[in-house]
Amino acid sequence: AQSVTQLDSQVPVFEEAPVELRCNYSSSVSVYLFWYVQYPNQGLQLLLKYLSGSTLVKGINGFEAEFNKSQTSFHLRKPSVHISDTAEYFCAVSKKAAGNKLTFGGGTRVLVKP
Amino acid sequence: DVKVTQSSRYLVKRTGEKVFLECVQDMDHENMFWYRQDPGLGLRLIYFSYDVKMKEKGDIPEGYSVSREKKERFSLILESASTNQTSMYLCASSSPRDRAETNYGYTFGSGTRLTVV
Repeated sequence: AQSVTQLDSQVPVFEEAPVELRCNYSSSVSVYLFWYVQYPNQGLQLLLKYLSGSTLVKGINGFEAEFNKSQTSFHLRKPSVHISDTAEYFCAVSKKAAGNKLTFGGGTRVLVKP
Repeated sequence: DVKVTQSSRYLVKRTGEKVFLECVQDMDHENMFWYRQDPGLGLRLIYFSYDVKMKEKGDIPEGYSVSREKKERFSLILESASTNQTSMYLCASSSPRDRAETNYGYTFGSGTRLTVV
């Protein structure tokens, strides 16, 4: 079975500072990887996804993530955060093989301070 | 714009009631999912469906059932609501993997916050 670990449950960061959210996964087969963001009282919005090809993936709102197969990681980064980036971020994985379920990490709550 | 719509944003139900949470998608997706979201636990899969009238258990199916009579609609049923089912419930849909890979992804509804008292 696959699993996802988000290493930080909360990340406080000052406005205009960089942020990195860590995500590690375990799976015995090849996977697709996703990052979602959830703003307060809203559903999940896709930030970016890795399906194949280049291991550096660029998403919306200036976020990017790098797939590292040897370290089974998919860390999310943004070079300069805004107050509006305050939200909860979820890393998720699904197998490329048969079966289409998304498995989520526990989430990382980002609080951007002025 | 593609959408997954959950019929209720907030619900308050009494212990023992039968509760229906409805989800409708307009993307002609074959796959639909129900998750519950709890602080610190992320999203956990309750049930999913690959096609009309098909369903499979997810990681935490106990106390829940589902119904998929039409492709666009996927209902989650709490047979006898209990206080430990107080949670945020999120519905999602996705296209099958054999469609264009670049389009592969999941779309989520806005969620239903259920309180069982």
